[in-house]
Amino acid sequence: SQQGEEDPQALSIQEGENATMNCSYKTSINNLQWYRQNSGRGLVHLILIRSNEREKHSGRLRVTLDTSKKSSSLLITASRAADTASYFCATDSSGNTPLVFGKGTRLSVIA
Amino acid sequence: EADIYQTPRYLVIGTGKKITLECSQTMGHDKMYWYQQDPGMELHLIHYSYGVNSTEKGDLSSESTVSRIRTEHFPLTLESARPSHTSQYLCASSEVGGGRPELFFGEGSRLTVL
Repeated sequence: SQQGEEDPQALSIQEGENATMNCSYKTSINNLQWYRQNSGRGLVHLILIRSNEREKHSGRLRVTLDTSKKSSSLLITASRAADTASYFCATDSSGNTPLVFGKGTRLSVIA
Repeated sequence: EADIYQTPRYLVIGTGKKITLECSQTMGHDKMYWYQQDPGMELHLIHYSYGVNSTEKGDLSSESTVSRIRTEHFPLTLESARPSHTSQYLCASSEVGGGRPELFFGEGSRLTVL
């Protein structure tokens, strides 16, 4: 069964704008990860946030985690056309369980 | 760049054929996974392995089988392909332990069964 659900399913913005994607999950997690997938390619890991963390930054990426609401958000600031891709959240309930992925958000950044 | 390789990248075959999708990684990872991705993007875990001679079925019922005879190799086999098997198959690997739990993915194998 799917653990994560991303929202929105698709997002279209202008270059330079910020993009925010949300992820909700159902059960307790060990950590939450975000991945990116360019069309027709494999997924690439972007950032990981542990269950005891609330916010994390990496370059233009900012991830928040609210375990009380079982939700996370990924913010991409100053978006570029090259950010056009699908973005997935993934969770595991312990270090020994496989990651379960959400359905993804398709982001289109228009130059 | 992740050192995980999938072959073939693209495969078109007829119904009833046996196929094997290859996946190899050179990172020494003990954990390996196969995900099936449908056109709507959703990824479903179909098989995983936490080490040599260890394989488990994932959440999605699959008619495929896997083997893990060597650490670096995790092939997926369909004994008799059907049109319903048409999909993108993604292989991934990760380290054992909590140090670096992120998955490294191959580029995928896109299978079309006619």
